[in-house]
Amino acid sequence: DSGVTQTPKHLITATGQRVTLRCSPRSGDLSVYWYQQSLDQGLQFLIQYYNGEERAKGNILERFSAQQFPDLHSELNLSSLELGDSALYFCASSVEGPYGYTFGSGTRLTVV
Amino acid sequence: EDQVTQSPEALRLQEGESSSLNCSYTVSGLRGLFWYRQDPGKGPEFLFTLYSAGEEKEKERLKATLTKKESFLHITAPKPEDSATYLCAVIILTGGGNKLTFGTGTQLKVEL
Repeated sequence: DSGVTQTPKHLITATGQRVTLRCSPRSGDLSVYWYQQSLDQGLQFLIQYYNGEERAKGNILERFSAQQFPDLHSELNLSSLELGDSALYFCASSVEGPYGYTFGSGTRLTVV
Repeated sequence: EDQVTQSPEALRLQEGESSSLNCSYTVSGLRGLFWYRQDPGKGPEFLFTLYSAGEEKEKERLKATLTKKESFLHITAPKPEDSATYLCAVIILTGGGNKLTFGTGTQLKVEL
């Protein structure tokens, strides 16, 4: 157990639908990061939050959004889902500074 | 543009056959290079952080080294349980935050 908790572990939904992925960071970590990993691509950075504020953005689609709440948990919202959104979505957390991230076990999203 | 390239893409070793994985990077101002291990369907597991050229870190059969342009992950006398995808990443400052940019990984298979 890495200390980063992601729910749900698996999600199957239809095209056009909206889903919410949830992440609880490791105790003491203020930064949360979201990554997408599909079969034909490596880990792609989506977005970073630090203590409730958006800090860095990657190639996140406009259909995707995220937020970090006062208790530091984060949610990634994916809407108007397409088949190509099927992937593993990872959350990671870290302390501030150039330190490694601790990853959760991921949410496997399948869009049918 | 900041870039991380890993080679080889895949590597098959016999148990006890030592080898090295390569990670070359092009970043403007390295603030940290990270090695992770990822098992199928699981989140990346942190192995090492290297911050400056000449630095070395060791853990069991793994040893990571860093030069000004690349990093190596040396695997000595590997065992089947070392089979996994090994990911290299660099930390990049972006806007007010940071992100780990990953290479596409080396898929290692160790056979009896």
